[in-house]
Amino acid sequence: QKEVEQNSGPLSVPEGAIASLNCTYSDRGSQSFFWYRQYSGKSPELIMSIYSNGDKEDGRFTAQLNKASQYVSLLIRDSQPSDSATYLCAVPGEEEDTGRRALTFGSGTRLQVQP
Amino acid sequence: DGGITQSPKYLFRKEGQNVTLSCEQNLNHDAMYWYRQDPGQGLRLIYYSQIVNDFQKGDIAEGYSVSREKKESFPLTVTSAQKNPTAFYLCASSTGLAGRYYEQYFGPGTRLTVT
Repeated sequence: QKEVEQNSGPLSVPEGAIASLNCTYSDRGSQSFFWYRQYSGKSPELIMSIYSNGDKEDGRFTAQLNKASQYVSLLIRDSQPSDSATYLCAVPGEEEDTGRRALTFGSGTRLQVQP
Repeated sequence: DGGITQSPKYLFRKEGQNVTLSCEQNLNHDAMYWYRQDPGQGLRLIYYSQIVNDFQKGDIAEGYSVSREKKESFPLTVTSAQKNPTAFYLCASSTGLAGRYYEQYFGPGTRLTVT
């Protein structure tokens, strides 16, 4: 099964700082990548999708993809206490040997933004 | 409002009883999924369905069963054969299973406690 690795954290940053969250994946053929935010006790919410190398910006969020190095990162600018959550990275996996076709999720990085 | 609904939000059962969790979506999505999340853990795929009347086992299907008789509905039954059923169960859906269509959207979840 394809692997998606994330540092579990917690990553602690002061309010107003840039939070940098990283994810590495094992499948060199992956073409799309997703970041989800999950507040404690709630379900995951899709916040960013990225499909090509480089940066994609959406408000305070920037996703960065480097397919050659097989990593995708999420930057949160001007971090707010309300950004405190677990951030999950997800990568599609299409496995010819098992026929499994679904997203593989990392275990998530817990972000704490200190007021 | 378009979205995914799961019911009930909280469910308590005695050991040895089967229980069915409901998942309904009105997003006209073809693919639907069930995940399990344990405290402090990532998401684990139980079952998924790409199309009506078809479904595939995920990584932890033992002790669970599903049906997909309608596009909108994908109920999950937790049977008495599931050894550790207490968990947070998440249903998700996506347009399809390729490229950007892997974007999955989650329902609010059902928290199952078995004693």
